[in-house]
Amino acid sequence: DAGVIQSPRHEVTEMGQEVTLRCKPISGHNSLFWYRQTMMRGLELLIYFNNNVPIDDSGMPEDRFSAKMPNASFSTLKIQPSEPRDSAVYFCASSLVARANVLTFGAGSRLTVL
Amino acid sequence: QQPVQSPQAVILREGEDAVINCSSSKALYSVHWYRQKHGEAPVFLMILLKGGEQKGHEKISASFNEKKQQSSLYLTASQLSYSGTYFCGTETPDKLIFGTGTRLQVFP
Repeated sequence: DAGVIQSPRHEVTEMGQEVTLRCKPISGHNSLFWYRQTMMRGLELLIYFNNNVPIDDSGMPEDRFSAKMPNASFSTLKIQPSEPRDSAVYFCASSLVARANVLTFGAGSRLTVL
Repeated sequence: QQPVQSPQAVILREGEDAVINCSSSKALYSVHWYRQKHGEAPVFLMILLKGGEQKGHEKISASFNEKKQQSSLYLTASQLSYSGTYFCGTETPDKLIFGTGTRLQVFP
């Protein structure tokens, strides 16, 4: 099992540019989560999907952020336009079910917006 | 809404013990504990589903007091490999919210 795969690992972009982060969950996992980690705010849940359907996106900071899960093996998190305050490590995690189950995290995507 | 962890940081010598606390203002369905080493992703340690239940992982154990909405992580005879940031995660009940984190450093 390759685990949760995220790309890119590092992204440096300029303010105003569009950023797309990608995630491939573990095969057979039904739930997928996007977290953002910063020194100030720790690990924040942005959105999670269950069986490819967005269940709770209340953590998405604003309309500049959007997430999709077109199928069970792929999800994207898009920021458009990006701002310096979006700089963070973005983690994708998956689990067998949404509740009371172990999250397996990807290696993360470190985003720097200049 | 985010659970509060204490202390924020702990410095230990190898072989010493430590306790990390996690407190929530909301009723909890379960409590998870994860450890994150510098520059890496969080890794699952254990999950507690019932009030008062204790789980163990090597020399790391945890308790969960459902009534008090609290959990504690016990690290016994710490090893260098225990260094990292520990996060509790609370399910309330349909999403996992992580605590503020406790940075643990173990020195020889």
